[in-house]
Amino acid sequence: GQQVMQIPQYQHVQEGEDFTTYCNSSTTLSNIQWYKQRPGGHPVFLIQLVKSGEVKKQKRLTFQFGEAKKNSSLHITATQTTDVGTYFCAGFDSGTYKYIFGTGTRLKVLA
Amino acid sequence: DAGVIQSPRHEVTEMGQEVTLRCKPISGHDYLFWYRQTMMRGLELLIYFNNNVPIDDSGMPEDRFSAKMPNASFSTLKIQPSEPRDSAVYFCASGNYRQEYGYTFGSGTRLTVV
Repeated sequence: GQQVMQIPQYQHVQEGEDFTTYCNSSTTLSNIQWYKQRPGGHPVFLIQLVKSGEVKKQKRLTFQFGEAKKNSSLHITATQTTDVGTYFCAGFDSGTYKYIFGTGTRLKVLA
Repeated sequence: DAGVIQSPRHEVTEMGQEVTLRCKPISGHDYLFWYRQTMMRGLELLIYFNNNVPIDDSGMPEDRFSAKMPNASFSTLKIQPSEPRDSAVYFCASGNYRQEYGYTFGSGTRLTVV
């Protein structure tokens, strides 16, 4: 079945450093969503990407959808302690009409 | 809007007991999802409903799990009998067809089966 992998699994950065997480699917995706889950919290929707090669920005966060629509990335510029949490991508499989969540990247920001 | 409301927030039960988790989706959302989250397996989709009808329950672990959505504002996930390996955080989420705003997750129910 479809698999969505994320790397790295964990990332510790110093406050102010940049951070990137990568999402890779075994199949072509119709669209991809990104979520953030704070420790002890629930996933919160960040953004959806639909078009091949699409790039969207939210303040210090930059999201990109690959040209082949099989991969995506989230880049955070100048991390802050408020960025701590686990970032999940969720790829939409039009065959099963389901979002498959990635394995997540846990970000820790050291002050 | 109060968001997706789940109850209880925490549940501790003994092995073999029946457990019922409850969810109230956001009004107007026509999709409802039940997820389970564990360290080992991450976020797993158990079942989802569209307009109160179960569409895909292929993620339900086994016959001990059942889910219902009797109306647009309420859903339950039942485990009977519960086992220690069912210990996890169970999330309910709702969304609409266009999905442009993603899914809204509830705060989850942390289930511990001892």
